[in-house]
Amino acid sequence: DGGITQSPKYLFRKEGQNVTLSCEQNLNHDAMYWYRQDPGQGLRLIYYSQIVNDFQKGDIAEGYSVSREKKESFPLTVTSAQKNPTAFYLCASSTPYGATTDTQYFGPGTRLTVL
Amino acid sequence: RKEVEQDPGPFNVPEGATVAFNCTYSNSASQSFFWYRQDCRKEPKLLMSVYSSGNEDGRFTAQLNRASQYISLLIRDSKLSDSATYLCVVIPGGTSYGKLTFGQGTILTVHP
Repeated sequence: DGGITQSPKYLFRKEGQNVTLSCEQNLNHDAMYWYRQDPGQGLRLIYYSQIVNDFQKGDIAEGYSVSREKKESFPLTVTSAQKNPTAFYLCASSTPYGATTDTQYFGPGTRLTVL
Repeated sequence: RKEVEQDPGPFNVPEGATVAFNCTYSNSASQSFFWYRQDCRKEPKLLMSVYSSGNEDGRFTAQLNRASQYISLLIRDSKLSDSATYLCVVIPGGTSYGKLTFGQGTILTVHP
């Protein structure tokens, strides 16, 4: 089955710790994205990557870092510098930008709670 | 003004009702428009793209009004399974690489 997987589903972190959220896709998509969703709000873009070894900051990149060493993988690290990290984190991927109607496919998400 | 704005609702309708949601966007150069559906504590899933001429998929009809900068979603003959949050999504003009901008979502509850 093709799709996007995220792990873990639930993650608890103590203040001051860095944590890394996993995102893997086997859709052969070039582009991958990380979003954050807070209750009652829409998704906000953290980072995105168009190709391997390249990534760009989104609207709320502060306190986060990413890497894109493989096409299939786009892990997100939530650092201790992120002041309010408790949220629902969603990873997405899409085909290369060629038309403006590209669809993004989402993984099931990771719920991060800071204790 | 937010780039994409939706009425958060909630909309509570009986089965069989027709319900419509609107969404306004601020960037007149916006290129592409979508409706996504998100079930409680799940990921968003594409419901339908919105084309300039309007488009229909079964009980769902999407329309775009560029002059007034809004898109709409009409659901006819509502089912219990339509209960979800509906997200309006826009690719703003001048943006790079399919960068989506999401509205905050409209909550729909269909009751028996």
